[in-house]
Amino acid sequence: DSGVTQTPKHLITATGQRVTLRCSPRSGDLSVYWYQQSLDQGLQFLIQYYNGEERAKGNILERFSAQQFPDLHSELNLSSLELGDSALYFCASSPQTSGGLTQYFGPGTRLTVL
Amino acid sequence: DQQVKQNSPSLSVQEGRISILNCDYTNSMFDYFLWYKKYPAEGPTFLISISSIKDKNEDGRFTVFLNKSAKHLSLHIVPSQPGDSAVYFCAASGGGATNKLIFGTGTLLAVQP
Repeated sequence: DSGVTQTPKHLITATGQRVTLRCSPRSGDLSVYWYQQSLDQGLQFLIQYYNGEERAKGNILERFSAQQFPDLHSELNLSSLELGDSALYFCASSPQTSGGLTQYFGPGTRLTVL
Repeated sequence: DQQVKQNSPSLSVQEGRISILNCDYTNSMFDYFLWYKKYPAEGPTFLISISSIKDKNEDGRFTVFLNKSAKHLSLHIVPSQPGDSAVYFCAASGGGATNKLIFGTGTLLAVQP
């Protein structure tokens, strides 16, 4: 158990809909990262938050957005969903003690868009 | 543009023997490298890491080697155990303000009893 929690574990929805994925980082970790793993793909970095502020963006679509709240949990919002958005979405957090270099991953949310 | 490459999609090894997983990268700005292990339906689990100022890091049965001139790293598992069967991802970080990880596509390791 990495200490990072994600909910829900599975999500099934229809095209055009909007969903919210939730992540709670390890206690004390200020950084939260979101990654997407599509079928036959490696993990692709989406976005990073540090202590409530956006730190970096990767291959994140404009239909997707995220935020980190004062209690440090984070939410990833996916809207106008398309079939190709079906994927595993992982959240990770990193401790300050390692300089933020080692990331610990949650169990993921499997999103299926029908 | 795949900056981190794992050219072997799969590897099969006998229990007790050495498993060697390879990873190549193209970006010379990467300064920190990690290996993760992933079981189906679970998140990646951190295994071992290495800074670019080192060429070897060891943790129990796991050793990571870094060859900066060749832009190559490898993970050695000795001795291999059936419980090691999983997908192994290498990842690289450019450091700096973000520390985002760039992942390879993974290698499926099967350790045969």
